[in-house]
Amino acid sequence: QVHLVQSGAEVKRPGASVKVSCKASGYTFSTYAIHWVRQAPGQGLEWMGWINAGNGYTKYPQRFLGRVTITRDTSASTAYMVLSSLRSEDTSVYYCARAPTSGYSFDAFDMWGQGTMVTVSS
Amino acid sequence: DIQMTQSPSTLSASVGDRVTITCRASQSISTWLAWYQQKPGKAPNLLIYKASSLESGVPSRFSGSGSGTEFTLTISSLQPDDFATYYCQQYISYSTFGQGTRLEIK
Repeated sequence: QVHLVQSGAEVKRPGASVKVSCKASGYTFSTYAIHWVRQAPGQGLEWMGWINAGNGYTKYPQRFLGRVTITRDTSASTAYMVLSSLRSEDTSVYYCARAPTSGYSFDAFDMWGQGTMVTVSS
Repeated sequence: DIQMTQSPSTLSASVGDRVTITCRASQSISTWLAWYQQKPGKAPNLLIYKASSLESGVPSRFSGSGSGTEFTLTISSLQPDDFATYYCQQYISYSTFGQGTRLEIK
């Protein structure tokens, strides 16, 4: 059975960084993409970027360029998302999601992690 | 950036009703569109991909249509389990989600 299991909740100070992990099981990790999506309390979904777990190709939307880094460890079937220079507006639930990929493009997100709450507060 | 606009933002309906949610893209996305259902405190769940393809395990009362810039999600006969928030997503150029449509019980 396919699962994406994320790391636990985090509380961070403004200006700090947070690293969230996403461990995959039940499928061949390197044949799919992993995306990161966040959701502020009571708000909608916001896409943060993706990685091709096979070749390591990454892409980020303009608003997160320079602040988000997505990596993967194929030996551990795990993807990571680091968000730096945290501010209160980054308080959100962060999700990883799997998507089929053909290299540099991807399909819809067919499996999601359970979400990780990140709270940024002084 | 491609913007996605859903309407309505909130929809009140009863069990057994047929409901339709609309999603408009700011430029053509062909059929690179997905629909998700999200319940409170849970991750989104894929319903429809490529605008009209039903994800495995999703009830057939859900259907999607459209291409280019106009898309719809239709639920043919609402069931109690369907009251949730629905999001559209484009994935032709990076990815963007609509703002969501909350489907509530009338």
